[in-house]
Amino acid sequence: AQSVTQPDIHITVSEGASLELRCNYSYGATPYLFWYVQSPGQGLQLLLKYFSGDTLVQGIKGFEAEFKRSQSSFNLRKPSVHWSDAAEYFCAVGPPLNDYKLSFGAGTTVTVRA
Amino acid sequence: SQTIHQWPATLVQPVGSPLSLECTVEGTSNPNLYWYRQAAGRGLQLLFYSVGIGQISSEVPQNLSASRPQDRQFILSSKKLLLSDSGFYLCAWTGAPGLKFFGPGTRLTVL
Repeated sequence: AQSVTQPDIHITVSEGASLELRCNYSYGATPYLFWYVQSPGQGLQLLLKYFSGDTLVQGIKGFEAEFKRSQSSFNLRKPSVHWSDAAEYFCAVGPPLNDYKLSFGAGTTVTVRA
Repeated sequence: SQTIHQWPATLVQPVGSPLSLECTVEGTSNPNLYWYRQAAGRGLQLLFYSVGIGQISSEVPQNLSASRPQDRQFILSSKKLLLSDSGFYLCAWTGAPGLKFFGPGTRLTVL
């Protein structure tokens, strides 16, 4: 069975500092991997996805993520955080070509301080 | 472009009352549709998904039900709400495998 772990429940970062959110998954093969962002009271917005190919993927809002097969990880990074990046971030994993079985992590809340 | 609507945006209901949440998608045809629930401090839990009109698959046994009366309409219902039904309900759709897009959500509080 697949599963997703986001080890950090809450991260506080200063504006302009770098940000890294961790995501570890359990899956028997190479899954589809996603990062979503949720602003307070809003739905989820897709930041980026990994299906295959280059293991470093670029997303919207200046985010990137790196797939590391050996570590079963798909960590999200941003070099310089803006106050508008304060939100909750969800990592998701699913079997290729089967979006019924997408599993989400519990989420990481990011607080940005001035 | 495709858009997804959910209403109401917020809802406060007493225990034992019925529930009906609606989701509609525009700009696409025959989408796969999903209902998720997000409880406070937790991730998303898939409740139902539908691959077509009248076709509903349930992921978690509970007192909720779903229906898909039209191609782009997905309804979440309950005959009698429980306190534990409180949460944030998200509708989602996929047109291509692996790409899931979410609606704005409905905040349900059961008192």
